[in-house]
Amino acid sequence: DAGVIQSPRHEVTEMGQEVTLRCKPISGHDYLFWYRQTMMRGLELLIYFNNNVPIDDSGMPEDRFSAKMPNASFSTLKIQPSEPRDSAVYFCASRRTGGAGYGYTFGSGTRLTVV
Amino acid sequence: GQQVMQIPQYQHVQEGEDFTTYCNSSTTLSNIQWYKQRPGGHPVFLIQLVKSGEVKKQKRLTFQFGEAKKNSSLHITATQTTDVGTYFCAGNYNQGGKLIFGQGTELSVKP
Repeated sequence: DAGVIQSPRHEVTEMGQEVTLRCKPISGHDYLFWYRQTMMRGLELLIYFNNNVPIDDSGMPEDRFSAKMPNASFSTLKIQPSEPRDSAVYFCASRRTGGAGYGYTFGSGTRLTVV
Repeated sequence: GQQVMQIPQYQHVQEGEDFTTYCNSSTTLSNIQWYKQRPGGHPVFLIQLVKSGEVKKQKRLTFQFGEAKKNSSLHITATQTTDVGTYFCAGNYNQGGKLIFGQGTELSVKP
């Protein structure tokens, strides 16, 4: 089991550019979550999917953020246009309904820096 | 709204001392989970508590869930340098729903 795979690990971009973060959940997991972590705000849930369907996107900061899950093995989080305040570590996590322990498995994260 | 408060924010201990972090919710939780994040790493699931008053142990770690299912604690006995990291509680307000993370307690252990 390769775990939750995120890419890229690091992204440095200029303000105004489009950024796309990618996530491959663990096979068989039916929930996928996108979190953002900053020193000031901690771990914030942005959006989550169940069986590829967005369930709750109330944490998405604004219209510049969008997320998709076209199939069970892939999700993207897009920021367009990016701003310096978007700099953070973005984590993807997945879990399986009724899975042992019911815990989330997090990916290694994407550290985004917008200059 | 749904919010999980965690204290303290930081804890510095001498190796061998005990450590406790506390978590509190203003509304009843369905369950609570605990995670550990090493510096530069990602959160790693430790345990889930579901039942009122539940106590679970993992070696030197003891997890408790309050009777009212509104608070929880993690206690580490005789800390070691390998315990360094940030410990997060995360509350679930309905089965299968989203987790709301506390702010975390950063533990440093001086050898």
